[in-house]
Amino acid sequence: EDQVTQSPEALRLQEGESSSLNCSYTVSGLRGLFWYRQDPGKGPEFLFTLYSAGEEKEKERLKATLTKKESFLHITAPKPEDSATYLCAVSRTGNQFYFGTGTSLTVIP
Amino acid sequence: SQTIHQWPATLVQPVGSPLSLECTVEGTSNPNLYWYRQAAGRGLQLLFYSVGIGQISSEVPQNLSASRPQDRQFILSSKKLLLSDSGFYLCAWSWRNTGELFFGEGSRLTVL
Repeated sequence: EDQVTQSPEALRLQEGESSSLNCSYTVSGLRGLFWYRQDPGKGPEFLFTLYSAGEEKEKERLKATLTKKESFLHITAPKPEDSATYLCAVSRTGNQFYFGTGTSLTVIP
Repeated sequence: SQTIHQWPATLVQPVGSPLSLECTVEGTSNPNLYWYRQAAGRGLQLLFYSVGIGQISSEVPQNLSASRPQDRQFILSSKKLLLSDSGFYLCAWSWRNTGELFFGEGSRLTVL
């Protein structure tokens, strides 16, 4: 059975304090791993797609990496506006996407 | 550019009443369409997905159903709501077999 596990469930950082979020997965024939940002009461916003181990993607203060068993979302020098829930999802078939429960990030000024 | 519209944004319904949530996508053709539910403090649960008109795949057996009467329209329905149907419902689309998912703004359903 395909599984996606995210850790930690919640993370509080001081502004400027870098850290990483983890997404571990068990899926055969991974087609893609996706990162999303979700603000309260809103739909998730797409951030990155990673397709193969060793791949990296960057966007502003965010950097996503992928290994054969997990992905990390690195946040460098976060700002309060980075506060959100970050979701990880995997796809095996290309038609079905399975999400983790997310990491709630709070960045304190 | 592509946009996705979902409505209503909020609704409060009594137990046993019917439900209809609608979703339309603009700016693309032949998208894959999805309905997800997000319960408080939990992840997104895939309910239905569709690869074409009239083609619906169900992930979770329950009292909900989905229909795709037009290429870019996806409807989530129920004949009789349960308390457990409360949640945040999200419609999403993707290009065929290439990911990524793009989400609407969501519909918050409260069943009383």
